[in-house]
Amino acid sequence: DTEVTQTPKHLVMGMTNKKSLKCEQHMGHRAMYWYKQKAKKPPELMFVYSYEKLSINESVPSRFSPECPNSSLLNLHLHALQPEDSALYLCASSPAQQSEWNTEAFFGQGTRLTVV
Amino acid sequence: AQKVTQAQTEISVVEKEDVTLDCVYETRDTTYYLFWYKQPPSGELVFLIRRNSFDEQNEISGRYSWNFQKSTSSFNFTITASQVVDSAVYFCALSEVAGFGNEKLTFGTGTRLTIIP
Repeated sequence: DTEVTQTPKHLVMGMTNKKSLKCEQHMGHRAMYWYKQKAKKPPELMFVYSYEKLSINESVPSRFSPECPNSSLLNLHLHALQPEDSALYLCASSPAQQSEWNTEAFFGQGTRLTVV
Repeated sequence: AQKVTQAQTEISVVEKEDVTLDCVYETRDTTYYLFWYKQPPSGELVFLIRRNSFDEQNEISGRYSWNFQKSTSSFNFTITASQVVDSAVYFCALSEVAGFGNEKLTFGTGTRLTIIP
């Protein structure tokens, strides 16, 4: 199984809503990532989890709250978002062991988020 | 700071033509990895190739080939005999080790390739 599964595929939310994006992988990868991709732009790194601990936060606003409850799951909790947060949110995973890192990161299909 | 430049924003070619996508990178690291990803309209990023900085050997995989030239900091991608299914946005990316085996991928701005039937 070389899949990263993201749910939901599409999400429309109001600025006062609270929602969560979910990501799951069963490849035994211990590094998981959230990327944000605006239309016609490249993906930009938001967060990195390594062994279920947050290791990188790329100065992301606090209205985005990541969570890694176990080695297979990664969540992104959303609260009080702005319309400019509308984007494709991509989850990825990769091995975290030094002997294996720098292999390719496997990406999910993403969640297309629209904030109204 | 790392940087990846894909100067070609959009390319259109007629089916069966060859097409080359350019990628130029900047890094201060002596050890680094370069990637190409394909992003079809469905949105997922599909891995195509990884090349480490010590391996300048060119690679061919079917209709795809890659030319890595460290002297010019370029990692170009050629599709031979293009097909309509090749239509997608292609990203070149550079990885930086961020500690504890984590990677930070820095992506270029992408090249939108359209293959005209």
